[in-house]
Amino acid sequence: EAQVTQNPRYLITVTGKKLTVTCSQNMNHEYMSWYRQDPGLGLRQIYYSMNVEVTDKGDVPEGYKVSRKEKRNFPLILESPSPNQTSLYFCASKSGGGHYNEQFFGPGTRLTVL
Amino acid sequence: GQNIDQPTEMTATEGAIVQINCTYQTSGFNGLFWYQQHAGEAPTFLSYNVLDGLEEKGRFSSFLSRSKGYSYLLLKELQMKDSASYLCAVRLQDSNYQLIWGAGTKLIIKP
Repeated sequence: EAQVTQNPRYLITVTGKKLTVTCSQNMNHEYMSWYRQDPGLGLRQIYYSMNVEVTDKGDVPEGYKVSRKEKRNFPLILESPSPNQTSLYFCASKSGGGHYNEQFFGPGTRLTVL
Repeated sequence: GQNIDQPTEMTATEGAIVQINCTYQTSGFNGLFWYQQHAGEAPTFLSYNVLDGLEEKGRFSSFLSRSKGYSYLLLKELQMKDSASYLCAVRLQDSNYQLIWGAGTKLIIKP
């Protein structure tokens, strides 16, 4: 089954404790992206990657890191989480061919930072 | 700056028709997407418009007017399962796939 997976789905942590949210897709997609979704706001892009070893900042990159060492994986790293990073996070991927191709989203990770 | 406006919430009756509007003021335009998002779930793709006009896909249709910076999503024969948020997103540039997202419209369907 073609899908985007994220782990963990739910996480409660404390300020300053480094964490990684994994994202993996099995569709051989070139493009991958991380978003956060907060009440009353649209999805905001954190980082994106056009292909392996190619990453770029989105609209809200502060406090986050990413890497793209393999095509299928795009982990999101919070080196020192803070309460304002409490949010619902989505990973997404799309094929690089065809600008109209839709993005496929993972199930989401609900993060709470105390 | 970039701005996408959608109504926060709408209510409609099962079996009826509802139109969800989206207006945008962005620095570029290379297409407009509509996604559906059920509560607590991931967004799923509904439609894409890049040229003016109406695109029909079953019970759902999407319209675009680039000169007016305006789009709408039309849902016909509403079903209870259509209760969800509907997200409008604009692709800014041809060179990448970055999207600017509206906050979404929560659609409540009543029997």
